[in-house]
Amino acid sequence: AQSVTQLGSHVSVSEGPLVLLRCNYSSSVPPYLFWYVQYPNQGLQLLLKYTTGATLVKGINGFEAEFKKSETSFHLTKPSAHMSDAAEYFCAVSDPYNNNDMRFGAGTRLTVKP
Amino acid sequence: EPEVTQTPSHQVTQMGQEVILRCVPISNHLYFYWYRQILGQKVEFLVSFYNNEISEKSEIFDDQFSVERPDGSNFTLKIRSTKLEDSAMYFCASSDGTARAEAFFGQGTRLTVV
Repeated sequence: AQSVTQLGSHVSVSEGPLVLLRCNYSSSVPPYLFWYVQYPNQGLQLLLKYTTGATLVKGINGFEAEFKKSETSFHLTKPSAHMSDAAEYFCAVSDPYNNNDMRFGAGTRLTVKP
Repeated sequence: EPEVTQTPSHQVTQMGQEVILRCVPISNHLYFYWYRQILGQKVEFLVSFYNNEISEKSEIFDDQFSVERPDGSNFTLKIRSTKLEDSAMYFCASSDGTARAEAFFGQGTRLTVV
């Protein structure tokens, strides 16, 4: 069975410094990995995804994530936090051999202080 | 840009009543999903649907739940006799099932059981 663990249910940063949101996965097959963002009272928007190929993937809004198989991690980073980045972030894993059913992490709420 | 559409955006129902949540997936997609997010909690997988049948379901998806694709465009989730704990945001998603497929999510239906 696949699962995702997000370390830190709440991350608070000041505007400007690096943002780092952690995600570790468990999967018996090569996984597909995703980061979604959810703004208040809205749906899920895909930030970026890893399927195959380059392990450093770039997404929207300046975010990127690196797939590290040896660490079973897929941490999300952004060089400089902005107020508009405040949202809930979900890491997800899917099994490409099993209908791409997704399993989500518990989420990390990012707060950005001015 | 094609999108997944869910109706209604918010539904209030009395405990014990049946509800049907509706979704229109992206037109050329073949895989359909329902997820649930209880307020403040993680996004949970409910069910996946392919080729007019359920391909996988979680332990949450008990006999009270059913899904249907009544025509070529709609995908519905029925809760037969709602309970207070069914109150949540329900997300529909669809994917085209290709190797690099991601699931596209609707904006969600907030179900409130009173």
